[in-house]
Amino acid sequence: DQQVKQNSPSLSVQEGRISILNCDYTNSMFDYFLWYKKYPAEGPTFLISISSIKDKNEDGRFTVFLNKSAKHLSLHIVPSQPGDSAVYFCAASETSGTYKYIFGTGTRLKVLA
Amino acid sequence: GAVVSQHPSRVICKSGTSVKIECRSLDFQATTMFWYRQFPKQSLMLMATSNEGSKATYEQGVEKDKFLINHASLTLSTLTVTSAHPEDSSFYICSAGGTRAYEQYFGPGTRLTVT
Repeated sequence: DQQVKQNSPSLSVQEGRISILNCDYTNSMFDYFLWYKKYPAEGPTFLISISSIKDKNEDGRFTVFLNKSAKHLSLHIVPSQPGDSAVYFCAASETSGTYKYIFGTGTRLKVLA
Repeated sequence: GAVVSQHPSRVICKSGTSVKIECRSLDFQATTMFWYRQFPKQSLMLMATSNEGSKATYEQGVEKDKFLINHASLTLSTLTVTSAHPEDSSFYICSAGGTRAYEQYFGPGTRLTVT
C-alpha cells in the first residue's frame, strides 16, 4: 500500500516557467513533509519542508503548499532553470517517534532551455 | 548541511558472498541512521532504522538475518548483505538523522550488483 504517491512520473517545463510537482498521501497521522531532489547515482538532497501546522512554506524559488483536508502537497519552482532537472521525491513523516520517512515514487523534472 | 558518506560507492560481488556497506556521518553525531534501497524507477524504500547501541528495527518484509545492520558508534552504521543473490542488486542509500524531524542527511548511495 503506497502511502505517499506521486502520480506524475515525469514533467517537462520550459526554462523560466513554473514547475508544479504534486504529491498525495493517505495517512492522516503524517504531520511533516519534505521534498528532496535527486540526481542519478547520488543520494537525495533536502530541498524544502513543511509542517502540518502550516499551509505554505517558501524558500527562494521553491514553495511548498499543503492542503491537509485533501491530503495533498505540491512543490512550485519559479522560475524553473535547467539545473533544476532532476528527480523530485516527496516524503512524509510522523514527527513523534523516529523520524521515519515514507517516500513517494518520484517525478522526473526536465527543464528545457 | 551535514555530510554523510558511504563506502563503497559501487560493488560487484558473486552470488552467495556477503557485502558490507558503510555509512558515516562526517561532521555530526547521529543517534539514528536509516537504510533505504531503491530499485530502478521506484521509490526509496525504508529497510530499517538503526539506533546507536541497540538492535535495528526492520520494516515489514525485510529479512533481518539477510540484511545485518550494526550501529556501533554515533558516526558509523554498517549494512551487510549476507549470501547475496542477483535480486539483491539495487541502490542502497543511508541517511543520518539529526535532532529535528527534517534533519535527515543522505549519503550518496551504494550500487550493488550481484552476478
